[in-house]
Amino acid sequence: RKEVEQDPGPFNVPEGATVAFNCTYSNSASQSFFWYRQDCRKEPKLLMSVYSSGNEDGRFTAQLNRASQYISLLIRDSKLSDSATYLCVVTAGYSSASKIIFGSGTRLSIRP
Amino acid sequence: GAVVSQHPSWVICKSGTSVKIECRSLDFQATTMFWYRQFPKQSLMLMATSNEGSKATYEQGVEKDKFLINHASLTLSTLTVTSAHPEDSSFYICSARRLTGSSSYEQYFGPGTRLTVT
Repeated sequence: RKEVEQDPGPFNVPEGATVAFNCTYSNSASQSFFWYRQDCRKEPKLLMSVYSSGNEDGRFTAQLNRASQYISLLIRDSKLSDSATYLCVVTAGYSSASKIIFGSGTRLSIRP
Repeated sequence: GAVVSQHPSWVICKSGTSVKIECRSLDFQATTMFWYRQFPKQSLMLMATSNEGSKATYEQGVEKDKFLINHASLTLSTLTVTSAHPEDSSFYICSARRLTGSSSYEQYFGPGTRLTVT
């Protein structure tokens, strides 16, 4: 089983739609969780951290369920510029040497 | 904000040659750097963790004698792909970690190096 698993996608939705991505992780000792965005042929960039209480940043909402080892990302009122691959990221600890593990990514395409 | 650079951004080499990729943290000291590899339509796969002044820790399945990592200073880590083969063609991305507190850090990614082995 992969350490971090995501919806395979691709998701193709119209502009303005709401779309949600899911991610599960296998290591119960995981401490930190993030969503990254990666555009084609570019490096991944941090979209938002994910906190146990859930957090929102504009049109983006992230949720964490530690009991189910499950993370989600919700995008409301999607824009054309949201088209990208979204990567679920998990780290196993807070130390400077803790590894960051990436999910395989979910491709999102927003159509006009 | 913090910036991580990589050089070269793109390289083509012949099979059997070696290629060195540099990763630099430009405005902070990074005790830990990470090297990832990404094949087309796949996610980033961690290759190794590089700690300044010590040997790198390689992930299972990554040949340490083929992918030489040197973290000689707090701002520079290098990855050398030795005796490159076409199957080594990939997008190599480094990441540098900056500690922001006793138990917190920020992670920054370089722009990546696209390696093509012919």
